[in-house]
Amino acid sequence: KQEVTQIPAALSVPEGENLVLNCSFTDSAIYNLQWFRQDPGKGLTSLLLIQSSQREQTSGRLNASLDKSSGRSTLYIAASQPGDSATYLCAVLRKTSYDKVIFGPGTSLSVIP
Amino acid sequence: NAGVTQTPKFQVLKTGQSMTLQCAQDMNHEYMSWYRQDPGMGLRLIHYSVGAGITDQGEVPNGYNVSRSTTEDFPLRLLSAAPSQTSVYFCASSLGTSGRSTDTQYFGPGTRLTVL
Repeated sequence: KQEVTQIPAALSVPEGENLVLNCSFTDSAIYNLQWFRQDPGKGLTSLLLIQSSQREQTSGRLNASLDKSSGRSTLYIAASQPGDSATYLCAVLRKTSYDKVIFGPGTSLSVIP
Repeated sequence: NAGVTQTPKFQVLKTGQSMTLQCAQDMNHEYMSWYRQDPGMGLRLIHYSVGAGITDQGEVPNGYNVSRSTTEDFPLRLLSAAPSQTSVYFCASSLGTSGRSTDTQYFGPGTRLTVL
């Protein structure tokens, strides 16, 4: 059974700091991995999607990497801003049941001005 | 494009009542799904559809029904509401599930349901 975990559960950093969020999954047979952002009381917004054949994706200050062999992905946020404060979730689309996306529990990020 | 829309935003039901949560998308996406989000449980898949006329169960389907008569709409029906169904419900859509397409999921704003 595919399980997705995220460490840490919560993170507080001062503005301007670079930071890394971690996502681990137990089954490496995945089609892709996606990072989302969720603001309080809102829906999820897709940030980056990495196909299984890719190693990383970049969008602005965000960089996501994927290492299938070790079952890990990281989301790197450069020069953090208070507006980055949100919960970040990763999700995998697994090959054994390709219609279903499995979500991690999320990391709650707070960027202090 | 409006993206994924959900109605209502908030709903309070009494135990035993039934209701339908509406979801619509205007991106011509084949894949649509319903999730519930609960504190400490994360997002869990209720039902999903890979195209009009095709639906299947997710992790937590009991107490919910779905149908997909058009590409655009994917309503979620609560047959007899129970307090355990108090949650935030999200609808999502994506272009496809083959893994060869982008598969980026787009989420609606959510429906906050309380069952008394």
